[in-house]
Amino acid sequence: GQQLNQSPQSMFIQEGEDVSMNCTSSSIFNTWLWYKQDPGEGPVLLIALYKAGELTSNGRLTAQFGITRKDSFLNISASIPSDVGIYFCAGRYAGNNRKLIWGLGTSLAVNP
Amino acid sequence: DGGITQSPKYLFRKEGQNVTLSCEQNLNHDAMYWYRQDPGQGLRLIYYSQIVNDFQKGDIAEGYSVSREKKESFPLTVTSAQKNPTAFYLCASKGLGGTGELFFGEGSRLTVL
Repeated sequence: GQQLNQSPQSMFIQEGEDVSMNCTSSSIFNTWLWYKQDPGEGPVLLIALYKAGELTSNGRLTAQFGITRKDSFLNISASIPSDVGIYFCAGRYAGNNRKLIWGLGTSLAVNP
Repeated sequence: DGGITQSPKYLFRKEGQNVTLSCEQNLNHDAMYWYRQDPGQGLRLIYYSQIVNDFQKGDIAEGYSVSREKKESFPLTVTSAQKNPTAFYLCASKGLGGTGELFFGEGSRLTVL
């Protein structure tokens, strides 16, 4: 199946630093989702985006639906140890609203 | 509280044996999904079902089977035909009608000895 290009693959940062990760697609999307997965658990939805240009925040997290509809980014401000985990982007093509396409994930480690 | 329950959390099986993973949801969601997760490969769709008594193959259905006899339940059988079954399996559900996104269970880790 097709996948999104998610980067970076992994990050190791100091507590308090800001984090940025992004996903890109070669096709136009009409939905972008960001999930977080803690070790040994299922992914949990952080932010859902449905309009080009949409900027949405959830606490210290901010995500945006790119204007071109081919990309999205997630920012985490003032990172804390519990931010550790794998962050996945996912999205739906404009031409196939049923199928959810997944990125390979960004693994985040935070040094206290 | 509403949610998805997967069981067992950990499962060991010998080669050549079939094993069934349970997934139960009380969210009144119509659609249910099974994903497989391997390190560095993200989530890959095995099977999904949008309504009782109907299900569709995903991207990697070979060696797996499912049933959807009740709205709340979507068990996955990993058959002996699955050549590399050791993985983390995730069940998810979603309401239909364009609202809501995938809600995941806590996963089941299958190890073949």
